[in-house]
Amino acid sequence: KNEVEQSPQNLTAQEGEFITINCSYSVGISALHWLQQHPGGGIVSLFMLSSGKKKHGRLIATINIQEKHSSLHITASHPRDSAVYICAPPPLNKLVFGAGTILRVKS
Amino acid sequence: DSGVTQTPKHLITATGQRVTLRCSPRSGDLSVYWYQQSLDQGLQFLIHYYNGEERAKGNILERFSAQQFPDLHSELNLSSLELGDSALYFCASREPSTDTQYFGPGTRLTVL
Repeated sequence: KNEVEQSPQNLTAQEGEFITINCSYSVGISALHWLQQHPGGGIVSLFMLSSGKKKHGRLIATINIQEKHSSLHITASHPRDSAVYICAPPPLNKLVFGAGTILRVKS
Repeated sequence: DSGVTQTPKHLITATGQRVTLRCSPRSGDLSVYWYQQSLDQGLQFLIHYYNGEERAKGNILERFSAQQFPDLHSELNLSSLELGDSALYFCASREPSTDTQYFGPGTRLTVL
């Protein structure tokens, strides 16, 4: 069983919808990365957070260390948000990555 | 542009061959991480170097090796290539004050 579980695995949304991607983990961690991988393959680190909430534009990430859960929210979704979203605890020199959520936003 | 460079962008080779992938971290970053992403598997950590020294190893095969040079660039050597080695290979460097990782654009390796 993977130590990090993401849900949903696939998500199709209509442009403008509010989107939530969840990440739960079975091991104790102190922080979490959210990564975005575009269809072309490039990976961007969106957030690294250890408590509370972080916001960057239309993206909001929250984490509850005690409940071992993190969420990534996208407000007013847009087709350019279509990507794979991956969560992983730092440091990223371990084997533990979420399998990713494939998000497709339709116009 | 993350500031991390990888060459080549694409590489097509035959089974049994050996290839070298190159990565240059962002200016000032001492860490280099290598990852493999194949079609049927997610992102997998291979190996981590910090300032020339190996710091951690993941699921890296014995046919694969890496090193980080004094100028901090890193090379990942893949030998006796098999069809299953076809994948995207990413490297990343880490900004220590924020623990943010910056990924290179990747090298797409195709083994025929």
